[in-house]
Amino acid sequence: GDSVTQMEGPVTLSEEAFLTINCTYTATGYPSLFWYVQYPGEGLQLLLKATKADDKGSNKGFEATYRKETTSFHLEKGSVQVSDSAVYFCALSDQGGGNKLTFGTGTQLKVEL
Amino acid sequence: EPEVTQTPSHQVTQMGQEVILRCVPISNHLYFYWYRQILGQKVEFLVSFYNNEISEKSEIFDDQFSVERPDGSNFTLKIRSTKLEDSAMYFCASETPGAVGNEKLFFGSGTQLSVL
Repeated sequence: GDSVTQMEGPVTLSEEAFLTINCTYTATGYPSLFWYVQYPGEGLQLLLKATKADDKGSNKGFEATYRKETTSFHLEKGSVQVSDSAVYFCALSDQGGGNKLTFGTGTQLKVEL
Repeated sequence: EPEVTQTPSHQVTQMGQEVILRCVPISNHLYFYWYRQILGQKVEFLVSFYNNEISEKSEIFDDQFSVERPDGSNFTLKIRSTKLEDSAMYFCASETPGAVGNEKLFFGSGTQLSVL
């Protein structure tokens, strides 16, 4: 079945550091890929998405490229801020699965001054 | 911005008791979902609901679970007889009609269920 694996946290960075959160997936079809973010006390929010191979999703300085050859969708940001501290979830939606999402475990990011 | 509201934020119950987790989806949404996350594990799909019936459910969603949209605004998840392993964060989500690729899926902030 479908699955998503993402790096374990917590990840602790200093402000303005470069961020990478790794995500790899297994799917039978041609999934759409997503990153969701959960800020403290809030719900999951869509951060960015990509629907086909080589697409790059981007939002708020974050970006991720859909790499079919490595089945990866790593999240990157060139310069993190304290306000980026949150839990980040990688997810996929298989074309044949309607809008059901398969999530990874989430990676907590802490950004310090 | 519209939001999905879940109550309570934290529910503590004794094993074997019934619990009802409540969600108020965004008013014009037509598709509704429950997900859960056991501590340290993945967020797991439980059930999707459309047109007043379950459209898909996972293996987790056994006879102990049920969902209901009793009054056109609330969307509830009932666990009939809770077990210790039901302890988790439960997320409700809703979606606009015609959404493609989940970009219109909105999640609530979750209910942390603790079964003692």
